Amino acid sequence: AQSVTQLDSQVPVFEEAPVELRCNYSSSVSVYLFWYVQYPNQGLQLLLKYLSGSTLVKGINGFEAEFNKSQTSFHLRKPSVHISDTAEYFCAVYNAGNMLTFGGGTRLMVKP
Amino acid sequence: NAGVTQTPKFQVLKTGQSMTLQCAQDMNHNSMYWYRQDPGMGLRLIYYSASEGTTDKGEVPNGYNVSRLNKREFSLRLESAAPSQTSVYFCATAWGGEKLFFGSGTQLSVL
Repeated sequence: AQSVTQLDSQVPVFEEAPVELRCNYSSSVSVYLFWYVQYPNQGLQLLLKYLSGSTLVKGINGFEAEFNKSQTSFHLRKPSVHISDTAEYFCAVYNAGNMLTFGGGTRLMVKP
Repeated sequence: NAGVTQTPKFQVLKTGQSMTLQCAQDMNHNSMYWYRQDPGMGLRLIYYSASEGTTDKGEVPNGYNVSRLNKREFSLRLESAAPSQTSVYFCATAWGGEKLFFGSGTQLSVL
């Protein structure tokens, strides 16, 4: 079985400040890792994914995430956030033969 | 190109009523999924269909049934709605099981 833990349910931050959204996972086999973003009243859309190769993954809207196998983490970062980044962010893990498992979500609130 | 279309967008039911949530995709994807989203719990898989003609239970299937009518359509039925089924429901599709494309959701309230 696999599971995903997002350590913060809400992260308030001022505009233009850096942000890190934390994600830890557990799995007995190799996994693929994803971050999805959900803007208000919309479905989820893919932000970035790690399948293999370089552990630093760049996504849309200036976000990036780093896969750390030893710490079983896949934290999401952005050096300078914008008001439009206000949304809920979901970390997810997938392994072949299993379904995509989502974390509980982190609500990013960017304040002016 | 609509992508993934869910209907209705909003629904209010009384306990014991039945209803069907519809999902249609024009992306020619094999896999289709139904998730429910509850505060603090992320998305939980209800049922999925890896291909036309097959369906399988996910994490929280109790109280739901599904039909994969054809490659495009995947419906979710609540036979006897309960207040615990108040949630936001998302349909999603994928080529395999990795990158999902989501509909805009159905907000369901069961009174």
